[in-house]
Amino acid sequence: KNEVEQSPQNLTAQEGEFITINCSYSVGISALHWLQQHPGGGIVSLFMLSSGKKKHGRLIATINIQEKHSSLHITASHPRDSAVYICAVRFNNDMRFGAGTRLTVKP
Amino acid sequence: IAGITQAPTSQILAAGRRMTLRCTQDMRHNAMYWYRQDLGLGLRLIHYSNTAGTTGKGEVPDGYSVSRANTDDFPLTLASAVPSQTSVYFCASSEDMNTEAFFGQGTRLTVV
Repeated sequence: KNEVEQSPQNLTAQEGEFITINCSYSVGISALHWLQQHPGGGIVSLFMLSSGKKKHGRLIATINIQEKHSSLHITASHPRDSAVYICAVRFNNDMRFGAGTRLTVKP
Repeated sequence: IAGITQAPTSQILAAGRRMTLRCTQDMRHNAMYWYRQDLGLGLRLIHYSNTAGTTGKGEVPDGYSVSRANTDDFPLTLASAVPSQTSVYFCASSEDMNTEAFFGQGTRLTVV
């Protein structure tokens, strides 16, 4: 059983739509990360959360520790947001990753 | 060097050969990590280092070894490569184990 489950696996949206990607985990964690991987392969850290909510530009990440759930929202989506979004959780010295959500935003 | 750099960017390697993947960061980060990324399995932690001089095993350490002689460098060695080690390898670093990580550009390794 994977400790980190993401949904959906694939998501296609029209430019301007509001996007939500979900992440559920089954272990006690010290932090949760949202990463972005572009088609070229590079990985960028978007957020690190241990509680509450963070916002950066059009991106918003929330976490509910009691429910072991996090969401990544993208407002006013744009084709340049097309990428794979990966949820990762840190517990002890380990890090476990979700399989990723492939987002395609069409103009 | 700016940030975190991996070398080589890609490599085709004969099975049984020894290979070292290099990773260097100039941010003076204490923690460094090696991951492999495989289709359908996502990223998995191979080894990590909390600080220079210490290393630890991640989720999939077998067949790999690491060293952390100084803060900047964290090489990953495959002593005798096997085809199942064909993957994309990412090195990352962070200020400590509880801060955001910065990733290298990845090394695509094919073992034939």
